[in-house]
Amino acid sequence: GENVEQHPSTLSVQEGDSAVIKCTYSDSASNYFPWYKQELGKGPQLIIDIRSNVGEKKDQRIAVTLNKTAKHFSLHITETQPEDSAVYFCAASLLSGGYNKLIFGAGTRLAVHP
Amino acid sequence: DTAVSQTPKYLVTQMGNDKSIKCEQNLGHDTMYWYKQDSKKFLKIMFSYNNKELIINETVPNRFSPKSPDKAHLNLHINSLELGDSAVYFCASSPGMGEEQYFGPGTRLTVT
Repeated sequence: GENVEQHPSTLSVQEGDSAVIKCTYSDSASNYFPWYKQELGKGPQLIIDIRSNVGEKKDQRIAVTLNKTAKHFSLHITETQPEDSAVYFCAASLLSGGYNKLIFGAGTRLAVHP
Repeated sequence: DTAVSQTPKYLVTQMGNDKSIKCEQNLGHDTMYWYKQDSKKFLKIMFSYNNKELIINETVPNRFSPKSPDKAHLNLHINSLELGDSAVYFCASSPGMGEEQYFGPGTRLTVT
């Protein structure tokens, strides 16, 4: 069935270190993979996304990689800062009834310590 | 200037009551969604509308009834509220199906 697994559930790093969050998906037809950042008391905010026709995308300190064969994708944050602390969600598109919907991972709580 | 807005931000009510949450987007998007986020932060889609037409209805109890008066608005009405309905409800919109989604600030519903 439709499933997106996300690891780890919590991640604690020192300021300046890198953080990596990994997701796997089950539907080989998925072709859109966004990442969201949710700060306390706010809605999820799209930070980066990737489509299945590319293997990597970068935006300043954030990068996403996609391995379609293995059906997994990862978020990489370099030079972490305290303001990166939040819950991060991966998602994968799923075709259902002729329409695309997003299936979300369970989230990773990232804490960046000064 | 807000892209996706929801009202109210907080809603506290008793079991058995009926309540509504409103959502508006000024992005000109064709597609709107309702999501439920439980206490463990798990995000699950409830409904999706495309051009005012219901596209996705995810095994949601029929006590929940969405209404889209126009492309910019998607409201959620909940009848006979139950304790298990307590959660944060997010509205989102996207240019079309399968495209990037933008979320509202959420409505925290507490049923006592």
